[in-house]
Amino acid sequence: NAGVTQTPKFQVLKTGQSMTLQCAQDMNHEYMSWYRQDPGMGLRLIHYSVGAGITDQGEVPNGYNVSRSTTEDFPLRLLSAAPSQTSVYFCASSYSHFSGANVLTFGAGSRLTVL
Amino acid sequence: AQSVTQLDSQVPVFEEAPVELRCNYSSSVSVYLFWYVQYPNQGLQLLLKYLSGSTLVKGINGFEAEFNKSQTSFHLRKPSVHISDTAEYFCAVSERGNKLVFGAGTILRVKS
Repeated sequence: NAGVTQTPKFQVLKTGQSMTLQCAQDMNHEYMSWYRQDPGMGLRLIHYSVGAGITDQGEVPNGYNVSRSTTEDFPLRLLSAAPSQTSVYFCASSYSHFSGANVLTFGAGSRLTVL
Repeated sequence: AQSVTQLDSQVPVFEEAPVELRCNYSSSVSVYLFWYVQYPNQGLQLLLKYLSGSTLVKGINGFEAEFNKSQTSFHLRKPSVHISDTAEYFCAVSERGNKLVFGAGTILRVKS
């Protein structure tokens, strides 16, 4: 049981380049989400999905796109990278979000540097 | 909307000493409360959670937390820490049916 798998673990981009961070889970979780972690700011929600075909914005969605074509995958796209997007990105999933009793399973993280 | 304040950004402590990591939240409705731990270069994992019932919650690795509704606090405690407890600890709150909001984190540094 792999849990939540994120790729790549490390990436360096130049300003203006695009890329996709991949996230896959094999637990049949309904809810998936992307967070960014910055020093002193904790984790901030970028986008989330409550099921295939359904996505919504979190606290800091600007500059990021997501899609959820399958239950398993939830990629995060940076269309035109900016230095402000230098961060560690975490994908997290849970069985259901509706009760609010979210116990999130996190991936190992993807460290992105934008030069 | 809910918010979380972790009162200490770093807590240094000697091995085998007790520790308390403080967390306060604000919300106008009933909430669920969580503590997650992040070891170096890893993702977060659940330490413990409060959903309802007893206000004293026990988690993994000897940690416990107490929910105090009147003070809107959910402080994390351990009576005797080990070097292996060195990590960053995040308090999080979820209003029922809503998303999870994290605090800024507290780095626990255990010294020998």
